[in-house]
Amino acid sequence: GENVEQHPSTLSVQEGDSAVIKCTYSDSASNYFPWYKQELGKGPQLIIDIRSNVGEKKDQRIAVTLNKTAKHFSLHITETQPEDSAVYFCAARLIQGAQKLVFGQGTRLTINP
Amino acid sequence: DAGITQSPRHKVTETGTPVTLRCHQTENHRYMYWYRQDPGHGLRLIHYSYGVKDTDKGEVSDGYSVSRSKTEDFLLTLESATSSQTSVYFCAISRGEETQYFGPGTRLLVL
Repeated sequence: GENVEQHPSTLSVQEGDSAVIKCTYSDSASNYFPWYKQELGKGPQLIIDIRSNVGEKKDQRIAVTLNKTAKHFSLHITETQPEDSAVYFCAARLIQGAQKLVFGQGTRLTINP
Repeated sequence: DAGITQSPRHKVTETGTPVTLRCHQTENHRYMYWYRQDPGHGLRLIHYSYGVKDTDKGEVSDGYSVSRSKTEDFLLTLESATSSQTSVYFCAISRGEETQYFGPGTRLLVL
């Protein structure tokens, strides 16, 4: 089955700097890769996603890149702000079986003022 | 939280007792999912439903059962709770394209 590895598990950056979180997946047939942000005590919230026919997608300060050959995708946050502090999860969609997602282990991002 | 509610939000129970968690949606989405979240493991799929009375197992389904008698409700039952089932449980919904929307979670402690 699909396996998703996420790194790093924790990341601390200065406010205004950029943050990058990386994920690798095992099933080359996976075709959808969302990123979720989870704040303390809340459910994960979708922040950006990318499909396998696209190499990069941007939404203001957030971007996701996908390298299908290497089977990895990354989340880039520029000009980080204190409200970006949260746990971030990547996921990959299994090509078989009713829209199931497999999640990475999560990255705790801390923005230092 | 995309029209998703979970109840209860917090529960403390004893080993061996049955527990039922409820997920309710107002979005009329076809797919519903139950995940558990534990430190170091991210979100792991327990069971999911692709329609009324249509359910299937996820990767960590042992010790759990589900039921979906109405589009809007998806129940997760721990037949006999164990300490290893202490976790935060999240429900998610999807229209059928890939995007899943999550509820606020239920924090369960099994003593």
